[in-house]
Amino acid sequence: DAGITQSPRYKITETGRQVTLMCHQTWSHSYMFWYRQDLGHGLRLIYYSAAADITDKGEVPDGYVVSRSKTENFPLTLESATRSQTSVYFCASSRSGRRDNEQFFGPGTRLTVL
Amino acid sequence: RKEVEQDPGPFNVPEGATVAFNCTYSNSASQSFFWYRQDCRKEPKLLMSVYSSGNEDGRFTAQLNRASQYISLLIRDSKLSDSATYLCVSSGSARQLTFGSGTQLTVLP
Repeated sequence: DAGITQSPRYKITETGRQVTLMCHQTWSHSYMFWYRQDLGHGLRLIYYSAAADITDKGEVPDGYVVSRSKTENFPLTLESATRSQTSVYFCASSRSGRRDNEQFFGPGTRLTVL
Repeated sequence: RKEVEQDPGPFNVPEGATVAFNCTYSNSASQSFFWYRQDCRKEPKLLMSVYSSGNEDGRFTAQLNRASQYISLLIRDSKLSDSATYLCVSSGSARQLTFGSGTQLTVLP
């Protein structure tokens, strides 16, 4: 039971490069989310998706692009990485039922932008 | 002002102690509330949901006061394994979770 996985787990890149973080879930959950976690800010929502081909902005979407062509995958792309995007990125998923608010998180990707 | 505010701690308590965490939220339209637990450098995991009537799960008790927009978590008989960061979370109608910055707990032997 793989659950929800993220790759890579660690990434170092340089300012201006494009970076894609992968997220894959095996539960067929409808909803998927991307968060970033920084000291002093807690987790902040970047983008979320209610289903394949449906995505919407969260609190901090600038500089990020998402797509969801398949239910199980939700990649996050930093189009031109900046130092301020150094963070820990968590992907999460949840079921679509009215009472299914619990989100299940992947192990995270630690991204450093030099 | 942050939408969900918590005392960051750290709280350092001896094993067996009772410890309480508090949290306030500013969005009166928030519909659901949760406590998540996050171990060092790991992903957050749901600890428990919070209901208006209060709810208990073993040594953990959560309370919600909608009038005061206040949420609490009580941990009784603290164990070493309870050491973690506790995240207060609210949710609106769009399933978006809003996280507090977390309260760090260390249970000492």
